[in-house]
Amino acid sequence: DAGVIQSPRHEVTEMGQEVTLRCKPISGHDYLFWYRQTMMRGLELLIYFNNNVPIDDSGMPEDRFSAKMPNASFSTLKIQPSEPRDSAVYFCASTPTGGQPQHFGDGTRLSIL
Amino acid sequence: AQSVSQHNHHVILSEAASLELGCNYSYGGTVNLFWYVQYPGQHLQLLLKYFSGDPLVKGIKGFEAEFIKSKFSFNLRKPSVQWSDTAEYFCAVNPLGRNTGKLIFGQGTTLQVKP
Repeated sequence: DAGVIQSPRHEVTEMGQEVTLRCKPISGHDYLFWYRQTMMRGLELLIYFNNNVPIDDSGMPEDRFSAKMPNASFSTLKIQPSEPRDSAVYFCASTPTGGQPQHFGDGTRLSIL
Repeated sequence: AQSVSQHNHHVILSEAASLELGCNYSYGGTVNLFWYVQYPGQHLQLLLKYFSGDPLVKGIKGFEAEFIKSKFSFNLRKPSVQWSDTAEYFCAVNPLGRNTGKLIFGQGTTLQVKP
């Protein structure tokens, strides 16, 4: 099993640019989660999907953030326009059913200059 | 609102010392409980989980946790820590009654083990 795959691992870009983070969940997992981790705010749930449908996006900080899951094997988190305060590690996780342990990807370390 | 509280933000221990990290949650229904560990620069990994049955659960690397329903607690323990246990530890709760896959994470506890 390849695990949850995220790309890119690192992203450095200038303020105002569009950033797209990608995630491939474990095959057969029906739930997909996007988290953001910073020193100041810890681990925050941004949005999660069940069977490709967004269930709870209450953690998305503002309209600059959007997430999609066009099929069961791919999801994107987009920030447009990006700001320095968006700098963080973004994790994707998946789980086969509700209540089961979540499997995390290696994360994308995002730096906005 | 449901929440998970980890009592200690930063713990410093010497090798071979015993560890106990506190975790309390606020939800009156049935829950699944988890402890995750995040080693420096890595992603979160599952340490152990509790779904039902024996309230004392054993996980990887000698860790265990005890679920005390009356106290809404799920404390993590290890009899003798090693330098390699230096990491951040997260308690998480899935409130089953809400029919959601979402985990509610505590704020994390940073453990530093001195060699």
